[in-house]
Amino acid sequence: QKEVEQNSGPLSVPEGAIASLNCTYSDRGSQSFFWYRQYSGKSPELIMSIYSNGDKEDGRFTAQLNKASQYVSLLIRDSQPSDSATYLCAVNMLAGGFKTIFGAGTRLFVKA
Amino acid sequence: GAVVSQHPSWVICKSGTSVKIECRSLDFQATTMFWYRQFPKQSLMLMATSNEGSKATYEQGVEKDKFLINHASLTLSTLTVTSAHPEDSSFYICSAHTETGYGQFFGPGTRLTVL
Repeated sequence: QKEVEQNSGPLSVPEGAIASLNCTYSDRGSQSFFWYRQYSGKSPELIMSIYSNGDKEDGRFTAQLNKASQYVSLLIRDSQPSDSATYLCAVNMLAGGFKTIFGAGTRLFVKA
Repeated sequence: GAVVSQHPSWVICKSGTSVKIECRSLDFQATTMFWYRQFPKQSLMLMATSNEGSKATYEQGVEKDKFLINHASLTLSTLTVTSAHPEDSSFYICSAHTETGYGQFFGPGTRLTVL
């Protein structure tokens, strides 16, 4: 089992729709969770962080965390073509020493 | 805030030469920086963790004698790809976090092409 798993996609949504990106992780003791956006040919950009169960909203982005289910998600409301990118889920894990583990990413396409 | 720069943004070199990539935290001090490599359409691969004033910690399978890391100050880490070969051609990205446990801020990356 991979430590951080994401559906590789591509996930295709129409402009204006809600895009839902999901991520599961293996280390139950993990405390910090992050979402990064990576445009093609560019480096990742931190867009959301979440540390406690529940929802965290920032503009059109909402991160959701459920530690019992070891699940973290990112919702993008009113999706725009400019949101088309690869979204990386990252988890700070304590198992084996403190380390940030990245998922392989989900490619999102927002169709105009 | 939390800006990380890299230099150069791209480099083309001949096989057998060495290439140095610099990573700087511009507005914060970074005791720890990370070096990643990313091949086209693949995920980020952590190569090593760079610790200021001490030796870097390399991930399994990464040759420490080939990828030399120096973190001599709280704002600068360098990665030197020694005796580069075409298979070393990749996108090299550094990152740092402002505090342990918080998100990482990535540099813009360096695209290395070895002929």
